[in-house]
Amino acid sequence: AQSVTQLDSHVSVSEGTPVLLRCNYSSSYSPSLFWYVQHPNKGLQLLLKYTSAATLVKGINGFEAEFKKSETSFHLTKPSAHMSDAAEYFCVVSGDTGNQFYFGTGTSLTVIP
Amino acid sequence: DTEVTQTPKHLVMGMTNKKSLKCEQHMGHRAMYWYKQKAKKPPELMFVYSYEKLSINESVPSRFSPECPNSSLLNLHLHALQPEDSALYLCASSQAHKRGPYEQYFGPGTRLTVT
Repeated sequence: AQSVTQLDSHVSVSEGTPVLLRCNYSSSYSPSLFWYVQHPNKGLQLLLKYTSAATLVKGINGFEAEFKKSETSFHLTKPSAHMSDAAEYFCVVSGDTGNQFYFGTGTSLTVIP
Repeated sequence: DTEVTQTPKHLVMGMTNKKSLKCEQHMGHRAMYWYKQKAKKPPELMFVYSYEKLSINESVPSRFSPECPNSSLLNLHLHALQPEDSALYLCASSQAHKRGPYEQYFGPGTRLTVT
């Protein structure tokens, strides 16, 4: 069975400082992993995805994530936070049926000016 | 075009009303999804259509009735809803080939309020 754990429900950083949002997954096979961002009252936007190619994945808006199989982790990072990064972030793992996805509970990122 | 559109943006309906939510994409995706999202929670999968056939129904009450009239359109028909059904309803689409999974593209959602 597949599952996702986002280790922090809230993260607060100062503008210009690094961002780290943590995600651990559980899967019975090699999964695909995704990070999505959701701004208030909006839909979800794909930030990046891992699908068994390079373990360091670069996404949009300066975000990147590293797939670590030994640690079953897929943490999201950004070197320097911007005010516009304040949003809800979801880590998602694929199911084994191809069209099923499992969401983490989300991490709310606050950026302090 | 990587856009998924949803109409209406907002909907207020009484418990005896019948209404429909509409979702459209023109990316050639053959998998389409309905999710329900409550405030401060992740999206919950309701239905998946693959090649216009219902492939997943996550034990959703029958007052929600999905329809996929063609590969670009997805509807969600609503009837006799309860106040607890008030939520943001998100539509998504993705490719549906066997070599997937592929990333989902989400629409902006319909904010539904049941009075």
